[in-house]
Amino acid sequence: AAGVIQSPRHLIKEKRETATLKCYPIPRHDTVYWYQQGPGQDPQFLISFYEKMQSDKGSIPDRFSAQQFSDYHSELNMSSLELGDSALYFCASSLGTGTYEQYFGPGTRLTVT
Amino acid sequence: SQQGEEDPQALSIQEGENATMNCSYKTSINNLQWYRQNSGRGLVHLILIRSNEREKHSGRLRVTLDTSKKSSSLLITASRAADTASYFCATDGDYGGATNKLIFGTGTLLAVQP
Repeated sequence: AAGVIQSPRHLIKEKRETATLKCYPIPRHDTVYWYQQGPGQDPQFLISFYEKMQSDKGSIPDRFSAQQFSDYHSELNMSSLELGDSALYFCASSLGTGTYEQYFGPGTRLTVT
Repeated sequence: SQQGEEDPQALSIQEGENATMNCSYKTSINNLQWYRQNSGRGLVHLILIRSNEREKHSGRLRVTLDTSKKSSSLLITASRAADTASYFCATDGDYGGATNKLIFGTGTLLAVQP
């Protein structure tokens, strides 16, 4: 079965640079979530989209923005990167916003040097 | 973690033994899900239990939910070396917003010795 696709899988950036992470949800899934997992930490919710509209916002810095496109893929844009942004960034998708399982992608490991 | 804590933080057992992990949470929930994560890799969905359910099985996995105690347990029976991973519980509820964002527990690191 098709899974959530994230690209790139690994990304190395320098401080103050920008980065764009992409997420392709499972076909027919219309809801996308972004999570950040720091080293040794549990995943923290950043932002979510339903039917291309932002539907919820968590602990996402103002330096980050995201959107969901007409084909339901989503992009997380990160600017003015800081060392503390180094983390695993997961995208998850689900069908609808009801009580459905969230399926996670493999993650993008971002390293800021 | 904003919501949940898991215990133990780490668990080491022998292959063939059962492993039990516990998760506690603070606020009311709609659902509780368990995920597995191999070191530094993606989160694999294991099982979802709804707030009106008390027990659920999936293969070698058994999940219980006690909403009065705000706790859940994950039992892995007849463990295998391949079960070595971190296990997280995650809850969704009426936290505001239109989607069911997940709030994760702190995770249990399970090591199954061959």
